[in-house]
This record gives sequence, structure tokens and C-alpha cells, in this order.
Amino acid sequence: DSGVTQTPKHLITATGQRVTLRCSPRSGDLSVYWYQQSLDQGLQFLIQYYNGEERAKGNILERFSAQQFPDLHSELNLSSLELGDSALYFCASSAGANSPLHFGNGTRLTVT
Amino acid sequence: GQSLEQPSEVTAVEGAIVQINCTYQTSGFYGLSWYQQHDGGAPTFLSYNALDGLEETGRFSSFLSRSDSYGYLLLQELQMKDSASYFCAVRDRTGSNYQLIWGAGTKLIIKP
Repeated sequence: DSGVTQTPKHLITATGQRVTLRCSPRSGDLSVYWYQQSLDQGLQFLIQYYNGEERAKGNILERFSAQQFPDLHSELNLSSLELGDSALYFCASSAGANSPLHFGNGTRLTVT
Repeated sequence: GQSLEQPSEVTAVEGAIVQINCTYQTSGFYGLSWYQQHDGGAPTFLSYNALDGLEETGRFSSFLSRSDSYGYLLLQELQMKDSASYFCAVRDRTGSNYQLIWGAGTKLIIKP
């Protein structure tokens, strides 16, 4: 168990809809990262937060947004969903810039 | 630009030794990490090299040569449970910002 909690585990929704994925980092970790992984693909970095502030941005679509709250949990919002957004979405947390990432079990999003 | 290259797939026999290579091109190299991911599972941290040389953790070892921009993960006494994808990731530092750049992953297939 990595200590990172992601909910929900599975999500099935229709095109055009909006969903929110939730992540609770390991206790004490200030950094939260979001990744997208399509079937048999690598990890695509979306965005990173550190102690409530956006720290780095990757290939995140304008339809996607995220935030980190004062209690350090984070949410990833995906809107106007398309079939191509179907993927595993991972959240990871770390204690610092040089610390390993600890990944949650992911949310499997299926857009129909 | 920044890039990482690793083989897409490697096949080995149970009980054997296998090496997964990773070459990188970054502007502010700060360290090389390896992660393991089983199908449908979360990536888990294996090792980190910031300095040249070999780091050993049980059956797994990781090597780094900064002058060659090259590293590898060595898996010994292969077991069927080692069948997974292995990702190298470079921590790149620009000023006070750290960025984690990921390889596309190497799928390790182990045959009995």
C-alpha cells in the first residue's frame, strides 16, 4: 500500500460529460502529481501541485483542470469528455523534489 | 530537447539475468529513477541514481554513467512475477524547478 488514495476506482460516463477524480496523498507529502496512461502507453504527465500551488504543467488539455486544497488532497476535473479521454488516471505524491513518487491505484475512466 | 529512450520490449528466461537500458538527453540532469508497473497496477519505485555507479537492492541493481547519459536496470534470478513494464525517469532541474521526464517504458516478458 503506497498510502496514496484515489477515488473512484472506476468511472464510466458518456461523451460530453464532466467528472471529478479525487486523490489523497501520503501523510506528510506536499507534492501531488497527476498522470494519464492510455492502454499500453506510457505515463503522460498532466500537472503537479506543491502545497496548494501549481508547480508544473505537462500536456494537460484545456478541458482538464486540477487543484490542491488546504488539506493537501487534490482533484482532477475532466470536462467535455471525449472517447479518447478513456484511460487510467494516476495520482502520485512525494515528500520533496528529490523524493520518489508514490502512486495511487488509479482511476479507470471509460468514456462511451 | 529532452528525451529518454528505452527498448519497448525485452524477453528473457526465468532464472536468467536481464538488463534494461535507458539513454537520456536533458539540460539539467539531477538523477535517474526506475519504476515497475504490473499490468493494470500502479507504478512502484525501484531505485534512484544521482551519482555514477551501481546501486544494488536485492535482485535488482541500477547503474548510471552521467558522462554517457546512460543508465540501466539489471534484474537477476528472474522470476515470473518480474513480468511487468519498467520505466526510467530522469529528474531534470532548471533553476529551482524540478521536472520528472519519463521514458515510454520497457515491457519485460519472462518465459519459463
